[in-house]
This record gives sequence, structure tokens and C-alpha cells, in this order.
Amino acid sequence: SQTIHQWPATLVQPVGSPLSLECTVEGTSNPNLYWYRQAAGRGLQLLFYSVGIGQISSEVPQNLSASRPQDRQFILSSKKLLLSDSGFYLCAWSVLVGGRRDRTEAFFGQGTRLTVV
Amino acid sequence: AQKITQTQPGMFVQEKEAVTLDCTYDTSDPSYGLFWYKQPSSGEMIFLIYQGSYDQQNATEGRYSLNFQKARKSANLVISASQLGDSAMYFCAMRERAGGFKTIFGAGTRLFVKA
Repeated sequence: SQTIHQWPATLVQPVGSPLSLECTVEGTSNPNLYWYRQAAGRGLQLLFYSVGIGQISSEVPQNLSASRPQDRQFILSSKKLLLSDSGFYLCAWSVLVGGRRDRTEAFFGQGTRLTVV
Repeated sequence: AQKITQTQPGMFVQEKEAVTLDCTYDTSDPSYGLFWYKQPSSGEMIFLIYQGSYDQQNATEGRYSLNFQKARKSANLVISASQLGDSAMYFCAMRERAGGFKTIFGAGTRLFVKA
């Protein structure tokens, strides 16, 4: 069965420090991978998505970056965190649904709650 | 412009009763998919149900059904026989075929189930 691992679960980092959040997927190959951010009480904002190794698309310009060094590994990074980077970060991968007619992020990681202080 | 609108920030329902969570969307793409997710307090996102724009019948998954009214561009989630464990945030989402790999999420509705 497919599983997705995301760590760490919580993180408190000072302003200006670097960030590295890791997400790995098991049980599938060549998945579409996503990084979302959820501000408190809000919906999900897509940050990055990747359709393959080394292929990263950015949706929102900011001081975050993403990398996909391996097929089932997706990393979210920052060189210098800002206070506004605080939030709940979710990694996801998409599967075909609806009789193989569409895709959705059916599997999400447990999320990382990042607090920048 | 808002693509997905959930107008109910919070909803209360009595245990064992049915509840409808509203969702309207905006798209000019004739091919799209609509999704509902549940997010308990633990933070995980759980995929609930899917409706394709060309589907003739409303989608159902156990106690969840999607009231799809294409002309009105609405995709309301109906939860029948509410249970205490249904208390959570619920998100409506849409993926347009022309939008590639982007799924757009609504702001969510927090559902409270009362005993």
C-alpha cells in the first residue's frame, strides 16, 4: 500500500535560520508531489509541485524553494526563515480517481507545524 | 477571483442528523473535477469524495454524497447520520483540466457535531 512520510511533525525555528522539511513516498513510482501551506484557520495554498525528478514548479514567489533529488523524495527548504513563514506545511501526492479520469491529492502527509520566532 | 467559495465558516449539527456543507465554484473549463476533504484536529487531510464535471449522477461514498448542480456551479457535501467523529474542518476543492496539476482549495467549513 502507498504511504507518505513527512517530518518533523513540529518545528520551532528562529528568524533567519535555514529550513529543511522532508517528504518521502512509498508504494508508488513517479508520483506527482506537492507542498502546501495552511495558515491558521485557512485553506491550503499550493507552494510547489513536481512531476518528476528535478522538475519543480513554483506557484507562489517567496523565500522558499523545493527540490526533488529522488523519485519519491520531495524537500522544502529556506535559506533564511521569515516570521511570515509560520504555518502548517503539508506534503501530498496525487492519484487517479473517478474511474481514472482525474487526479487529486488523495494522500497527504501528517504535516509539519512550523513556528518561526 | 475566488475559484472556490465556502460561505459557512462554521456549522453545527445534532448527532445522527444530516448536514449539508455548501461549496460553489467558478470555472470556464468544461472539464474539471470537484473534491471534498476532511481535516480533523490532528491536521491530516483525508480525501472523501470526487465528482467529475461530466458525471451524470451525484457521487456517493458511504455516508457522504455530493449534491452536484452544474448549472448553478455548486457541489455541496451532504453527510448523513452525523457522528461525533465527523467534527472537523471540511474543504471543497477543484481541479481544472486546463489548470494542469493545480488543485484549488476553498477556505473550509468547520463542522461541530453535538451529542
